Amino acid sequence: GAVVSQHPSRVICKSGTSVKIECRSLDFQATTMFWYRQFPKQSLMLMATSNEGSKATYEQGVEKDKFLINHASLTLSTLTVTSAHPEDSSFYICSFLQGKNTEAFFGQGTRLTVV
Amino acid sequence: GDSVTQMEGPVTLSEEAFLTINCTYTATGYPSLFWYVQYPGEGLQLLLKATKADDKGSNKGFEATYRKETTSFHLEKGSVQVSDSAVYFCALSDGAGNMLTFGGGTRLMVKP
Repeated sequence: GAVVSQHPSRVICKSGTSVKIECRSLDFQATTMFWYRQFPKQSLMLMATSNEGSKATYEQGVEKDKFLINHASLTLSTLTVTSAHPEDSSFYICSFLQGKNTEAFFGQGTRLTVV
Repeated sequence: GDSVTQMEGPVTLSEEAFLTINCTYTATGYPSLFWYVQYPGEGLQLLLKATKADDKGSNKGFEATYRKETTSFHLEKGSVQVSDSAVYFCALSDGAGNMLTFGGGTRLMVKP
């Protein structure tokens, strides 16, 4: 199947700093990209959706100025957590769609710990 | 809104035991249902899916049947192996933008 590379897999940062998480689709072009977050013992929660040629659409309750999503190209998406706070500690995972009604491919996920 | 509920883990089984991981959902309309698996250090991978009522998805010995009357999509395997140890996620898609709604995940640990 298609491969999505996400890194870093783990990151520890200090409060107030910014962290960038990168996701690349290695062998296909993605028309739609999703970013999810998972808190311990909870579901993966959709944070935002990014479609080709348009800005990201954020889910209710997700601060767009805090979680900056850059859909740089059809193969690259980045999530930057700005002014990180311990409450942002979570598991972040990206997902790409090659086209509408196609299978979603996921990155390996990033475990962020803010100290 | 849509939601997915699956049994909490971890589920610990001996090799060759029978596996059931329960999953129920609430959704408007007729969603597609999925099971994803995440092996240690890897991304989520699609395990199986069903797109309409009474469909059975199957892959690698795993099966799940789309039960509209009970709004369930339980995952089963007749004989688990150590290599099946992973986290399993039940999910649904209502088709709108292909957004997936996930359950909380169930960790399966299979001991030799």
